Amino acid sequence: QKEVEQNSGPLSVPEGAIASLNCTYSDRGSQSFFWYRQYSGKSPELIMSIYSNGDKEDGRFTAQLNKASQYVSLLIRDSQPSDSATYLCAPSEVSWGKLQFGAGTQVVVTP
Amino acid sequence: DGGITQSPKYLFRKEGQNVTLSCEQNLNHDAMYWYRQDPGQGLRLIYYSQIVNDFQKGDIAEGYSVSREKKESFPLTVTSAQKNPTAFYLCASSSGEIRTFGSGTRLTVV
Repeated sequence: QKEVEQNSGPLSVPEGAIASLNCTYSDRGSQSFFWYRQYSGKSPELIMSIYSNGDKEDGRFTAQLNKASQYVSLLIRDSQPSDSATYLCAPSEVSWGKLQFGAGTQVVVTP
Repeated sequence: DGGITQSPKYLFRKEGQNVTLSCEQNLNHDAMYWYRQDPGQGLRLIYYSQIVNDFQKGDIAEGYSVSREKKESFPLTVTSAQKNPTAFYLCASSSGEIRTFGSGTRLTVV
């Protein structure tokens, strides 16, 4: 059984601070990694993808990947109340393939 | 605008009934997917289809059926064999890494 583990939270973050989200996965064949944001009652939306070890930055978001440790993380800098959502980690063996979703980490940004 | 349309948004099912959830996309994507989401859990794959007239079971296919007669459409039937169907159902389509989700159907057994 392929597993994706995330802390469920809630992760409470003061406005303007950095939110750090972690994800570990069991499938060593995973090559592509995606972070989705899901607001309550809504569908997920893709916010980051990463394929190579190291860091990838996109605006206030930074994804970090370490395939040897089977670990991927997401940093949200200058957290805003609009960042309050559940963040889902999704590794995949191929870029288009069957994504394995973690249960998600709920982030709550407090003013 | 291109996108995925799921209907209905809310659906109520009586015990022993089959119900069909609609999913239509106009993005010209080849691959389509059905996921189920329960409270506090991630998305679990029910069925997926990479091409018209072909589909594969996902991780939790028991009690569900699908068809893919047209590229644009991928309906999901929740049969009476599915003992715990109350959940949020999401349809998605993809081209490469771009995976687009519909707005979901919330199914409740009454």
